[in-house]
Amino acid sequence: EAGVAQSPRYKIIEKRQSVAFWCNPISGHATLYWYQQILGQGPKLLIQFQNNGVVDDSQLPKDRFSAERLKGVDSTLKIQPAKLEDSAVYLCASSLDLGQWETQYFGPGTRLLVL
Amino acid sequence: AQSVTQLDSQVPVFEEAPVELRCNYSSSVSVYLFWYVQYPNQGLQLLLKYLSGSTLVKGINGFEAEFNKSQTSFHLRKPSVHISDTAEYFCAVRIQGAQKLVFGQGTRLTINP
Repeated sequence: EAGVAQSPRYKIIEKRQSVAFWCNPISGHATLYWYQQILGQGPKLLIQFQNNGVVDDSQLPKDRFSAERLKGVDSTLKIQPAKLEDSAVYLCASSLDLGQWETQYFGPGTRLLVL
Repeated sequence: AQSVTQLDSQVPVFEEAPVELRCNYSSSVSVYLFWYVQYPNQGLQLLLKYLSGSTLVKGINGFEAEFNKSQTSFHLRKPSVHISDTAEYFCAVRIQGAQKLVFGQGTRLTINP
């Protein structure tokens, strides 16, 4: 079974520019997560989707970050405009369903550097 | 709110030596506990999880962890490490009834030959 796919793998931009990341979850997985992992820290949940609906976006900086999962399959995370502190690895994960015991499967991440 | 503390940011050990990576959590309600491993330039992979039942949980690659409710700990152990175990290890907790997975800051395990 194919894993969680993310692109691009690396991105370098200047502050105040915009950037978008794409994630394709494992086929059939209803729940999709975006995490931000700053160097030296554990992943922090930004947003969680169940199909095409948002379950939790309490830690998403909504003034500059947005995410969508319009057809309930793949998802896009956007930052506009980027700040220096947005430099991090952005991880996408998916799980079969919302069940608390469900295993989350992670993609390889997109490493963002904001200059 | 729950939190996770990994007591060691780095743990160097020699190959074939035993290792323990420590994890403590704080929560006033029941939790589910997880250990994930992150190899260089890769995403996180689940090593093992505790949901209920036996407090000793066995995972992949010879790792195991023990849930200690009185000490609110979930330490990860392996009796004999290999060079290929070099990675970052993350402990995570999810409160029963909540959706969010909260991660610790990670422990970098370095294996020396």
